[in-house]
Amino acid sequence: SQQGEEDPQALSIQEGENATMNCSYKTSINNLQWYRQNSGRGLVHLILIRSNEREKHSGRLRVTLDTSKKSSSLLITASRAADTASYFCATDEGTSGSRLTFGEGTQLTVNP
Amino acid sequence: DVKVTQSSRYLVKRTGEKVFLECVQDMDHENMFWYRQDPGLGLRLIYFSYDVKMKEKGDIPEGYSVSREKKERFSLILESASTNQTSMYLCASSLAGIAQQYFGPGTRLTVT
Repeated sequence: SQQGEEDPQALSIQEGENATMNCSYKTSINNLQWYRQNSGRGLVHLILIRSNEREKHSGRLRVTLDTSKKSSSLLITASRAADTASYFCATDEGTSGSRLTFGEGTQLTVNP
Repeated sequence: DVKVTQSSRYLVKRTGEKVFLECVQDMDHENMFWYRQDPGLGLRLIYFSYDVKMKEKGDIPEGYSVSREKKERFSLILESASTNQTSMYLCASSLAGIAQQYFGPGTRLTVT
């Protein structure tokens, strides 16, 4: 079953604008991560937020987590054409082998 | 930097063939994972392994098997390839108890 579900499925913005992507999940989690995937490539880890954290920053990235609503958001500020990619949230429920459950992703297009 | 490599970027096989997808990581990670990625379905876990010779089924193990004879290598085997196994296959690894996963570049498999 899909634990993480991203919203929107696709987002198109102009360079310099901010991009916000949302993720909802169903069960209790240990942490939530965001990954990025350039077209036809593997995923790259962006940021991890633990269940006892509410907000985290890394460069132009800002992630929030609301465990009461079982949701997270990823904000990319001052977007660039190079930010064009798919973005996935992944939840760690603490089951064996540190397995993650990924959502379906948001396709972000940043137009120059 | 962690490096995860996959044996092929692109692979074309015929229905009924036995297919081996190889994944190697160079950072002594305990956990290794195989996913398949399809449009609209996100990443789905096929199998994972948290130690040599150990394996656990993921969400969609049917039609697949795995082998982990050495810590650095995790193989995905399609016993008798079918057209519905045409997909992007992604390998990942992680340290024991650490949620962040490192991904290989992916193998795009086409079964005709």
